[in-house]
Amino acid sequence: EVQLVQSGAEVKKPGEFLRISCKGSGYSFTNYWITWVRQMPGRGLEWMGGIDPTDSYVNYSPSFQGHVTISADRSISTAYLQWSSLKASDTAIYYCARHPYLTAPFDYWGQGALVTVSS
Amino acid sequence: QSVLTQPPSVSAAPGQRVTISCSGSSSNIGNNLVSWYQQLPGTAPKLLIYENNKRPSGIPDRFSGSKSGTSATLGITGLQTGDEADYYCGTWDSTLSAVLFGGGTKLTVL
Repeated sequence: EVQLVQSGAEVKKPGEFLRISCKGSGYSFTNYWITWVRQMPGRGLEWMGGIDPTDSYVNYSPSFQGHVTISADRSISTAYLQWSSLKASDTAIYYCARHPYLTAPFDYWGQGALVTVSS
Repeated sequence: QSVLTQPPSVSAAPGQRVTISCSGSSSNIGNNLVSWYQQLPGTAPKLLIYENNKRPSGIPDRFSGSKSGTSATLGITGLQTGDEADYYCGTWDSTLSAVLFGGGTKLTVL
């Protein structure tokens, strides 16, 4: 069974570092890209960027380039999304999803991770 | 404001049919494949339609997709209360080199 299991909810202060994770199982991790999607409270879906775990090539959305870092460790079938300095506006649910190539649809999704940034 | 335009909400009675539109441009829908996602309240999105009109395994044929020019449409027949959800279209934008989602449409089954 294909599964993407994300790390748990986080509560952080502005300026803090955060890394959240997405672990794939039930399939060959390097055969699929992992993408990250943001959903701010009460809002729609926003694509942040995706990574090819085979070579860790990342394609960032222009809207998120420079604000987050996407990485992966194929040895443990895990992808990451990290912030070096969080802002209150980063408060959102973050989903990971897999797709066979960059422009392909997202066929399996993680359960989502709520990140709350508040002083 | 999203590059892909969807109506904010649609509604219909149980058993009826509803359509949800997604309007874009030649840089996205016009030259790329469209997907549709269903997000039930409090859950992660789920792939409903891919490559304009194909259904993943397990998706009932009450759900259909089509594309014409720079617009795409999701159709749902035999509406059920369990279909109440937010629906998003998605596609690649060749100019932005990014995946785009529509703003989402909230379906209410009256």
